Amino acid sequence: GDSVTQKQGQVTLSEDDFLFINCTYSTTTYPTLLWYVQYPGQGPQLLLKVTTANNKGISRGFEATYDKGTTSFHLQKASVQESDSAVYFCALPPSNTDKVVFGTGTRLQVSP
Amino acid sequence: DMKVTQMPRYLIKRMGENVLLECGQDMSHETMYWYRQDPGLGLQLIYISYDVDSNSEGDIPKGYRVSRKKREHFSLILDSAKTNQTSVYFCASSPGQGTERLFFGHGTKLSVL
Repeated sequence: GDSVTQKQGQVTLSEDDFLFINCTYSTTTYPTLLWYVQYPGQGPQLLLKVTTANNKGISRGFEATYDKGTTSFHLQKASVQESDSAVYFCALPPSNTDKVVFGTGTRLQVSP
Repeated sequence: DMKVTQMPRYLIKRMGENVLLECGQDMSHETMYWYRQDPGLGLQLIYISYDVDSNSEGDIPKGYRVSRKKREHFSLILDSAKTNQTSVYFCASSPGQGTERLFFGHGTKLSVL
């Protein structure tokens, strides 16, 4: 079945550092790929998505790209702020099943 | 105002007690979900509901049951709670089956002692 893997459990940065989070996926199709963000004390929310049409998604200063060759997709931000501290989930949208397939999440901690 | 509301936000129960977690949404979404979130495990799907009285097991349904009698309400029930059910529980909704955008509530932190 479809799956996503996030090997980075936690990332610690300082303000204005560059952020790069990686995720790998396994699926039989070239899908739309999703990033969800979960701020402290809240539920996850959709941050952005990447489609095969554009290979890139941009929202709130974050940029997501994906690489079909390596079946990986990445979330980047040029200059993180303390307010970006959150858990970031990569995910695959429903295909053969009715459920979104979530990764285990990467916790980003940004210190001022 | 698009919102998923979970009650209560925090709950402490003793092992063996029954637990009721409630969720409401004001978007008339057909599909609703219950997840639990544990450190290192991410979000695990417990149940999906496609509409009133149309529920389906997710990946980890054992020890849980659900009830959906109105489209806007979805309940998660733990009969005789166990300590390993200590977790944060999230309810979510989406406009239909197979949609990529889920709307989550703020979660209920359940501690079973």
